[in-house]
Amino acid sequence: DTAVSQTPKYLVTQMGNDKSIKCEQNLGHDTMYWYKQDSKKFLKIMFSYNNKELIINETVPNRFSPKSPDKAHLNLHINSLELGDSAVYFCASSQGDSYSGANVLTFGAGSRLTVL
Amino acid sequence: KQEVTQIPAALSVPEGENLVLNCSFTDSAIYNLQWFRQDPGKGLTSLLLIQSSQREQTSGRLNASLDKSSGRSTLYIAASQPGDSATYLCAVTNRDDKIIFGKGTRLHILP
Repeated sequence: DTAVSQTPKYLVTQMGNDKSIKCEQNLGHDTMYWYKQDSKKFLKIMFSYNNKELIINETVPNRFSPKSPDKAHLNLHINSLELGDSAVYFCASSQGDSYSGANVLTFGAGSRLTVL
Repeated sequence: KQEVTQIPAALSVPEGENLVLNCSFTDSAIYNLQWFRQDPGKGLTSLLLIQSSQREQTSGRLNASLDKSSGRSTLYIAASQPGDSATYLCAVTNRDDKIIFGKGTRLHILP
């Protein structure tokens, strides 16, 4: 019944490991996003996909690679994890794109990543 | 570059009072502005969305206004309740399709 679901909710791992966070939405939305919330609670967009096509790719290290197998899924893979990657990562989705001017974001519950 | 600022960073008010949260943005060329609520350990919930052509939106005890020319939005909460305690985030959607968030206002309603 969950609209936007992320897994895992918590992830604790060692520096240098590779990990993935999965996101799925059952709202039929066309656009999905990944946001990073840092320790100061500041939300910053990382990636945006519209119908499996990359729309926004902010200045994030290329260790972060999003993968969208279909428009209902947007996974985030992180290689060679670093201490600074520790944060809460939020997935979100919206119907249409910003050009329609009416996109309401629906967020997942977040995935807290801790790199030791 | 769009910057979104929310003032105050934290606010405590007694239950039952009306309150206003402020949001300002530097570039008025936006598609829309949204207000979100974030509860500890949980995701974000969209409260209200105001399109660039609109002046305000209302939902229950919440009223959000938008003055695009001055780069300001307010979220008015009437008759506050302890359940309103949360962090409230403001976000604008730029013409380049990016959604920029403010840092939020932590609201605490005192019983």
